[in-house]
Amino acid sequence: EIVVTQSPGTLSLSPGERATLSCRASQSVTYSYSAWYQQKPGQAPRLLIYGTFSRATGIPDRFSGSGSGTDFTLTISRLEPEDSAVYYCQWYGTSPPKYTFGQGTKLEIK
Amino acid sequence: QVTLRESGPALVKPTQTLTLTCTFSGFSLTTSGMCVTWIRQSPGKALEWLARIDWDDDKHYSTSLRTRLSISKDTSKNQVVLTMTNVDPVDTATYYCARIPYYDSSAFDSWGQGTLVTVSS
Repeated sequence: EIVVTQSPGTLSLSPGERATLSCRASQSVTYSYSAWYQQKPGQAPRLLIYGTFSRATGIPDRFSGSGSGTDFTLTISRLEPEDSAVYYCQWYGTSPPKYTFGQGTKLEIK
Repeated sequence: QVTLRESGPALVKPTQTLTLTCTFSGFSLTTSGMCVTWIRQSPGKALEWLARIDWDDDKHYSTSLRTRLSISKDTSKNQVVLTMTNVDPVDTATYYCARIPYYDSSAFDSWGQGTLVTVSS
């Protein structure tokens, strides 16, 4: 079974800085993709990135996704106070369809 | 506008069967490529994918929970039902349903607000 590990566990940055969140899958699988979600306290997760690279509807271009194989990254440029949240990486493998979440990265804006 | 809403019991006893219903609007589960999925989140913990049902009635389950889960749909009611047998206190969690859009099955683009289920005697 695939295990997804996110790093760092917590990230504390200032407004205007760039955040780089990492996600690593325990195995390389043909046709795998990543997605990223933002979750604020008491709310359901919100989709940010799907298919590794594509921004979801309404997501500003400060958010970008990259990666392949076992390593995926979410980059948030020009941090704003409202970006404070927990960010989850989700790995998707196609054959058969399986979804695995990482443990989350807590982003704090100072 | 896509909306999803979970419903079900707030409290279940250990060993009982949990039945959750996802009622959705704004899309059709008869559209080719469309899917609905269930995810849960234990208090203070990470998200865990549970199951997915496709427009053509294909079903996919988490490997670790597949023997206890069953997912079904009623397209006439725009509902998806998840059942989990033999529940345990470790199954205490907020259960979410979400849509997997027809254009990309890699992610969940719309989520319900979630329903908290507590397993306790």
